[in-house]
Amino acid sequence: QLQLQESGSGLLKPSQTLSLTCTVSGGSISTDGYAWSWIRHPPGKGLEWIGYIFYRGSAYYNPSLETRLTISLDRSKNQFSLRLTSVTAADTAVYYCARDGSPQNYGMDVWGQGTTVTVSS
Amino acid sequence: DVQMTQSPSSLSASVGDRVTISCRASQSLSTYLNWYQVKPGKAPRVLIYGTTNLQSGVPSRFSGTSSGTDFTLTISGLQPEDFATYFCQQTYSTPYTFGQGTNVEIK
Repeated sequence: QLQLQESGSGLLKPSQTLSLTCTVSGGSISTDGYAWSWIRHPPGKGLEWIGYIFYRGSAYYNPSLETRLTISLDRSKNQFSLRLTSVTAADTAVYYCARDGSPQNYGMDVWGQGTTVTVSS
Repeated sequence: DVQMTQSPSSLSASVGDRVTISCRASQSLSTYLNWYQVKPGKAPRVLIYGTTNLQSGVPSRFSGTSSGTDFTLTISGLQPEDFATYFCQQTYSTPYTFGQGTNVEIK
């Protein structure tokens, strides 16, 4: 059974860089037809799609975050990662990784449990 | 960006009730519309994908329909475990966008 698990920095100060990793187990990240997405849920707000990456390396970012965002993938470790620079309090959220079947119109069918990121001085 | 207008923002219902949640898209999405259930401290769960397709393992009381740019999630016979927040999501074009959510509470 495919499982995803987020890990990384939970408490940051403004202007620091957020780094998160999603480890995929029970299946391969090198799967055609799927992308690997990051999504966040700020407190009291709706879900926000951050971006995704395909296992061959092409990535697509939400334009609202594009200038600060890098998503990368390591096939040898079955992991993909998020790096967000110059964080502010507005980046405080629960961050999720997910397998994204959108290229096949399947939706995001497997999610990690989420990791809480707090930005505070 | 495609705007998703979800309504209502919250509702109160009783076990056994039929509940409908709506999302209106700012443009045509074809069938690229998904519904998710979110509970505190748990991973979001896809219920419906591609507008009408029930995700494997999801009870058949959940269903999705559409009419043009209007999409509806129906829960036929609300169960105690269904009290949660529900989001629609369009994946027709990037950036993918979600509705603002509907919090389903116990009456």
